[in-house]
Amino acid sequence: QKEVEQDPGPLSVPEGAIVSLNCTYSNSAFQYFMWYRQYSRKGPELLMYTYSSGNKEDGRFTAQVDKSSKYISLFIRDSQPSDSATYLCAMSERAGGSYIPTFGRGTSLIVHP
Amino acid sequence: NAGVTQTPKFRVLKTGQSMTLLCAQDMNHEYMYWYRQDPGMGLRLIHYSVGEGTTAKGEVPDGYNVSRLKKQNFLLGLESAAPSQTSVYFCASSYSGGSQPQHFGDGTRLSIL
Repeated sequence: QKEVEQDPGPLSVPEGAIVSLNCTYSNSAFQYFMWYRQYSRKGPELLMYTYSSGNKEDGRFTAQVDKSSKYISLFIRDSQPSDSATYLCAMSERAGGSYIPTFGRGTSLIVHP
Repeated sequence: NAGVTQTPKFRVLKTGQSMTLLCAQDMNHEYMYWYRQDPGMGLRLIHYSVGEGTTAKGEVPDGYNVSRLKKQNFLLGLESAAPSQTSVYFCASSYSGGSQPQHFGDGTRLSIL
């Protein structure tokens, strides 16, 4: 079992829907959590960054971390066709040193008009 | 400000040929990474560097070598290309390890015939 599990999808939703993307993890030491968005034939770009548990909102995007359940979520409100992309979660144990973030495999999202 | 630049963008090689992929970043980041991304496998770390003159192995290092002679550049070499190395290669950089988000290039698409 991988340290970080993410359903590959694809997840297909109509425009305007609320989208929920999720990752589960097994390492209780993870405390930094990131979401990246990757458009086709492009590199991943940072979308959201959170530390420890709780919620963080940025426009239509909300990142949620539940450390007790080892579960993180990314919510997209009023989804748009331009949100169609692959979303990767990433997490890390601590700052500095040689700790390298662990990535999920990504979830493909399709928002159709 | 270009961020992370990868060259070349596309390349086709024959089995047994060698080549070097170049990654350059202009953000004065200490950490640099090479990943490969294959369908259904997500991002897999090949090698990484925590500073000029240092390199370390990642999850899938076999068949690859790297060098970080200058802080802004990270080179990935394939000494004798094999069809199993057909993939999309991404370079990334970050200010430090662990908690810091990574900045990615747009990838090099490599086919080995």
